[in-house]
Amino acid sequence: DTAVSQTPKYLVTQMGNDKSIKCEQNLGHDTMYWYKQDSKKFLKIMFSYNNKELIINETVPNRFSPKSPDKAHLNLHINSLELGDSAVYFCASSQDLRTANTEAFFGQGTRLTVV
Amino acid sequence: AQTVTQSQPEMSVQEAETVTLSCTYDTSESNYYLFWYKQPPSRQMILVIRQEAYKQQNATENRFSVNFQKAAKSFSLKISDSQLGDTAMYFCAFIAYNNNDMRFGAGTRLTVKP
Repeated sequence: DTAVSQTPKYLVTQMGNDKSIKCEQNLGHDTMYWYKQDSKKFLKIMFSYNNKELIINETVPNRFSPKSPDKAHLNLHINSLELGDSAVYFCASSQDLRTANTEAFFGQGTRLTVV
Repeated sequence: AQTVTQSQPEMSVQEAETVTLSCTYDTSESNYYLFWYKQPPSRQMILVIRQEAYKQQNATENRFSVNFQKAAKSFSLKISDSQLGDTAMYFCAFIAYNNNDMRFGAGTRLTVKP
């Protein structure tokens, strides 16, 4: 069973389109994240949700909107896609950090290419 | 906000030898966790090792160990008996105890040569 699953794995789309990336975790974790990894492999946090509430919202264009319908899901919707949005997007989840041996579990990433 | 710095963009090591990857961080928090993650060409992020800041003993996982210097805010990763499968990007990460803001360094690309 995949702990954190993202769909799709690859996404190629034209500029100006609207697209969504879905993320689901079956670990019972309270916190979920979205990260963007650029072509230089730099991982930048975009959003963090805890129990469906937004707790971190980095300087991200408002074309990016996360949606958490429940604790196990955190989807990322992107409006009016631009060339610079091309990257790999990672979803991750973690348990309460005060729990022993906690770590962040990552999905396999979604490679978004905007043409 | 916390920052994590990895000053070695690329490193290489011969198979079976030892290599050390550097990481420093800046924070005003006293309780936090540090991690090393590995990202092979498959793109999957894999936890290598984890260190709680309140623990003085350095974490060890088989061939992987850390040198945690809290006062210096340094957290280096030592890989012993390097194997070809260790070839990957390695990311140092920090998360404070009282929030869920997990920050990563820029990464070090490690190549293990046969």
